[in-house]
Amino acid sequence: QKEVEQNSGPLSVPEGAIASLNCTYSDRGSQSFFWYRQYSGKSPELIMSIYSNGDKEDGRFTAQLNKASQYVSLLIRDSQPSDSATYLCAVMGQRSGGGADGLTFGKGTHLIIQP
Amino acid sequence: GAGVSQSPSNKVTEKGKDVELRCDPISGHTALYWYRQSLGQGLEFLIYFQGNSAPDKSGLPSDRFSAERTGGSVSTLTIQRTQQEDSAVYLCASSLTSINEQYFGPGTRLTVT
Repeated sequence: QKEVEQNSGPLSVPEGAIASLNCTYSDRGSQSFFWYRQYSGKSPELIMSIYSNGDKEDGRFTAQLNKASQYVSLLIRDSQPSDSATYLCAVMGQRSGGGADGLTFGKGTHLIIQP
Repeated sequence: GAGVSQSPSNKVTEKGKDVELRCDPISGHTALYWYRQSLGQGLEFLIYFQGNSAPDKSGLPSDRFSAERTGGSVSTLTIQRTQQEDSAVYLCASSLTSINEQYFGPGTRLTVT
């Protein structure tokens, strides 16, 4: 059973500070890792993808991957009230017979940026 | 360019009726995915198409659920004899290939009364 774990929060961060979101996954064969943002009543929006160990930066967002520890994180610098949303960690593995599979999602972390 | 589109955006149906949900992926995307999100629950993977083929249908919740994709483009998810537990938001996503980022459509909110 593939599992993705996230702290549900809420995580409250002051405006302008760094928000740190964490995720662990169970399937060592996982290949690809994604962070999605979901506003209430909306569909998930892709924020970051990361495929290899280390850091990947895109604007105010940095994704970090450590496959040995089975750990993915997302840092949001200079947090804004508009960043308030649920952040979903998603992991893509491989099926036992090879080939891609659907994403396994965590339940999400509810982030609140306090003005 | 145009994103993933889904129709209808909302569907209310009576228990026992059949429903058909449609997904139009991003042009050129070969992989298409269906997920559902129930109130307070996480996103649950249902089925994946590479081209017109679905390599693995084991994620479908029951044999009342079926899906097809034609012309490597539009996909329909059909739920027969709907039950109240089928009430959820059904989300479609597409990606350039099976290993690329997935982009979600706006979803279809299904309510079974």
